[in-house]
Amino acid sequence: AQSVAQPEDQVNVAEGNPLTVKCTYSVSGNPYLFWYVQYPNRGLQFLLKYITGDNLVKGSYGFEAEFNKSQTSFHLKKPSALVSDSALYFCAVSPDEGTDKLIFGTGTRLQVFP
Amino acid sequence: DVKVTQSSRYLVKRTGEKVFLECVQDMDHENMFWYRQDPGLGLRLIYFSYDVKMKEKGDIPEGYSVSREKKERFSLILESASTNQTSMYLCASSKTSLYEQYFGPGTRLTVT
Repeated sequence: AQSVAQPEDQVNVAEGNPLTVKCTYSVSGNPYLFWYVQYPNRGLQFLLKYITGDNLVKGSYGFEAEFNKSQTSFHLKKPSALVSDSALYFCAVSPDEGTDKLIFGTGTRLQVFP
Repeated sequence: DVKVTQSSRYLVKRTGEKVFLECVQDMDHENMFWYRQDPGLGLRLIYFSYDVKMKEKGDIPEGYSVSREKKERFSLILESASTNQTSMYLCASSKTSLYEQYFGPGTRLTVT
């Protein structure tokens, strides 16, 4: 079955430290991969995507993600966390080129402490 | 900016009522989606539409129906609301799978 896993319900990090939010996937074809962020009482906002090409993709607010095909992972990273990065983060995958649907992970709550 | 709007931010309905959730997008996107978001379960796709009058079931379509009579508008219908349909409902739109989905602010529905 095609799926996305976010193994951590919550990630805690001190402001100024690097952060990583993990995502692994299981799909049969070549995936399109996305990260979204949800701030309190708001809808989801797009952060970045991997379609093809360079495995390291850069997105909004200083975030980046690395596509690793051998480990079927797409971890979200930021070199220096801000308190304002505290939010709920979702990884999503489009299973193959023939569908416009996304499969979402269960979300990881990022808490950045001052 | 792409804008996806949803008719209500908060809604309280009684068990057995018919409920309509409306979603409008202003970017001429082909695809529109309805999700529900529950703690610990992430987003689950209820239905999506890839063209006017075209729809496809998602992962949890039971108890729901949809309508897309115009390209910009996608409605979610709860035929007979039940308490287990209490949730946050999110609408989204996109061009194609190569492009990101744009989300509305959500409707928090409570069924009592």
